[in-house]
Amino acid sequence: EAQVTQNPRYLITVTGKKLTVTCSQNMNHEYMSWYRQDPGLGLRQIYYSMNVEVTDKGDVPEGYKVSRKEKRNFPLILESPSPNQTSLYFCASSSSGQGEYEQYFGPGTRLTVT
Amino acid sequence: AQSVTQLGSHVSVSEGALVLLRCNYSSSVPPYLFWYVQYPNQGLQLLLKYTTGATLVKGINGFEAEFKKSETSFHLTKPSAHMSDAAEYFCAVSDPDTGGFKTIFGAGTRLFVKA
Repeated sequence: EAQVTQNPRYLITVTGKKLTVTCSQNMNHEYMSWYRQDPGLGLRQIYYSMNVEVTDKGDVPEGYKVSRKEKRNFPLILESPSPNQTSLYFCASSSSGQGEYEQYFGPGTRLTVT
Repeated sequence: AQSVTQLGSHVSVSEGALVLLRCNYSSSVPPYLFWYVQYPNQGLQLLLKYTTGATLVKGINGFEAEFKKSETSFHLTKPSAHMSDAAEYFCAVSDPDTGGFKTIFGAGTRLFVKA
């Protein structure tokens, strides 16, 4: 089954404790992206990757890091989480970054930073 | 910068009534336009999209949307609402001028369907 998986689905952590949210897709997609969803703000793009070893900032990259060492994986790293990073996070992938193709979303990771 | 405005954070309709969810974008260049739906505790899934060609596009579950360049709009409609349509709907655009790599989402509209 074609899918985007994220782990963990739920995470509660404390300020400053480094964490990684994993994202994997099995569709051989070139393009992957991370979003955060906050009430009243919709989804905002954090980082995206056009292909292996090629990443760029979205609209809200502060406090986040990403890497794309393999085509299927695109982990999101919070080196020193803060309470304002409490949010619902979605990973997405697309066959191309050209924009006209739909994105396939993972189930989401709900992160709480205390 | 590109922006997307969805008019109405909440819309309530009766079962069988017309559904109209509004989306306006700001762009001097016609972007690629999408509507996604999010059911509770799930990720987003594509309803429909406009890239080029026919301006009236049909999607899944009886939804359709019309791209109106003069109005910079891409409103989503469904002739007859069903209880299962209750969800949150997001309009999104990607800008061909930036290679489409960046996608901008609207704030979302939550649709309530009354029996």
